[in-house]
Amino acid sequence: GQNIDQPTEMTATEGAIVQINCTYQTSGFNGLFWYQQHAGEAPTFLSYNVLDGLEEKGRFSSFLSRSKGYSYLLLKELQMKDSASYLCAVRSGNAGKSTFGDGTTLTVKP
Amino acid sequence: DAGITQSPRYKITETGRQVTLMCHQTWSHSYMFWYRQDLGHGLRLIYYSAAADITDKGEVPDGYVVSRSKTENFPLTLESATRSQTSVYFCASGWGSGSNQPQHFGDGTRLSIL
Repeated sequence: GQNIDQPTEMTATEGAIVQINCTYQTSGFNGLFWYQQHAGEAPTFLSYNVLDGLEEKGRFSSFLSRSKGYSYLLLKELQMKDSASYLCAVRSGNAGKSTFGDGTTLTVKP
Repeated sequence: DAGITQSPRYKITETGRQVTLMCHQTWSHSYMFWYRQDLGHGLRLIYYSAAADITDKGEVPDGYVVSRSKTENFPLTLESATRSQTSVYFCASGWGSGSNQPQHFGDGTRLSIL
């Protein structure tokens, strides 16, 4: 099976930078996704990593180290609207399915 | 418009009843998925389908039945609902393992079983 770990909760200040970590154990790694989920809404896609390194998309960046089974999501210039749950999802094997972590609830304070 | 839609958005039923949740996607994605999300937890995979007439169990399949006679539809049935199946159910669609594209989620069905 797969094991995905993320911190349960994090708090940060508006305008600051926050890093949300995700560690995983899997065989047949085939990509890692980050999703954002606001309360009462569906998850929406943020980023995708399949090779080691950093992927940058505006205020959001995601990093992957396959040898360490480690990823992080970096959010810069935090805004109040970034308060949400952030889900790490690992895809493995030949099927298109992913396993999700329990999510990290981020609270951004003024 | 292209997208993925779930119905109903809200459902209240009683234990022992059969209930079917509908999911329809217009992207022609090969894969479709059903997840449940319980308070404070991530998404747990119930069933998934790689193509029409091909389905497979996920992490928590007990008590659920799926079918996929057409690529665009993937209904989920609870044959005899139990209180432990009270949850938010999300349907998603996407491409296979060779794609860098993510799964796209419907808005969810909030199911309460009394």
